Amino acid sequence: DGGITQSPKYLFRKEGQNVTLSCEQNLNHDAMYWYRQDPGQGLRLIYYSQIVNDFQKGDIAEGYSVSREKKESFPLTVTSAQKNPTAFYLCASSPSGGYFEAFFGQGTRLTVV
Amino acid sequence: QKEVEQNSGPLSVPEGAIASLNCTYSDRGSQSFFWYRQYSGKSPELIMSIYSNGDKEDGRFTAQLNKASQYVSLLIRDSQPSDSATYLCAVRSGGYQKVTFGTGTKLQVIP
Repeated sequence: DGGITQSPKYLFRKEGQNVTLSCEQNLNHDAMYWYRQDPGQGLRLIYYSQIVNDFQKGDIAEGYSVSREKKESFPLTVTSAQKNPTAFYLCASSPSGGYFEAFFGQGTRLTVV
Repeated sequence: QKEVEQNSGPLSVPEGAIASLNCTYSDRGSQSFFWYRQYSGKSPELIMSIYSNGDKEDGRFTAQLNKASQYVSLLIRDSQPSDSATYLCAVRSGGYQKVTFGTGTKLQVIP
């Protein structure tokens, strides 16, 4: 089945710790995205990538880092510089042609303990 | 001014009625418009896309776009309790593949 897989589903982070969220897609999409969702604030774009080895900051990139070494994979690292990381993180992908319809993975819920 | 605006709701409709969800956007150059359904605790699911003025129908769902008024809507006919969810409006604009989301409208279908 084609789709987007995020792991883990739940993640707990201690203060001062870096954590990495995984996102893998087998839809052969060129573009991939990371969004953060907080209650009542909708989805906010963290980073996006249109091609391998290239990525751009979104609206709230501070405290986050990404890599795009393979077309299928777009991991997100939440660094200790992100002061309020507790949120629902969503990875999405879209084709580079057509109308760029974005499809989402099942999400990772990150909690600081 | 928010780029994509939606009434947060909740919008309550009785089962079998038509639910009407609205969205306005600020960028006149916006090109693609999407409606996502998000159940509580789950990720968004794409249910409709629309790119040109007018109506687009898919089963019980109809998306309506009016670029002159910068307005996009979603109609759900014969609403079912399973339609109870938050509906996110999303807009793509600019020369790159960035999609901006509204904060969503919570729909409650009352049996």
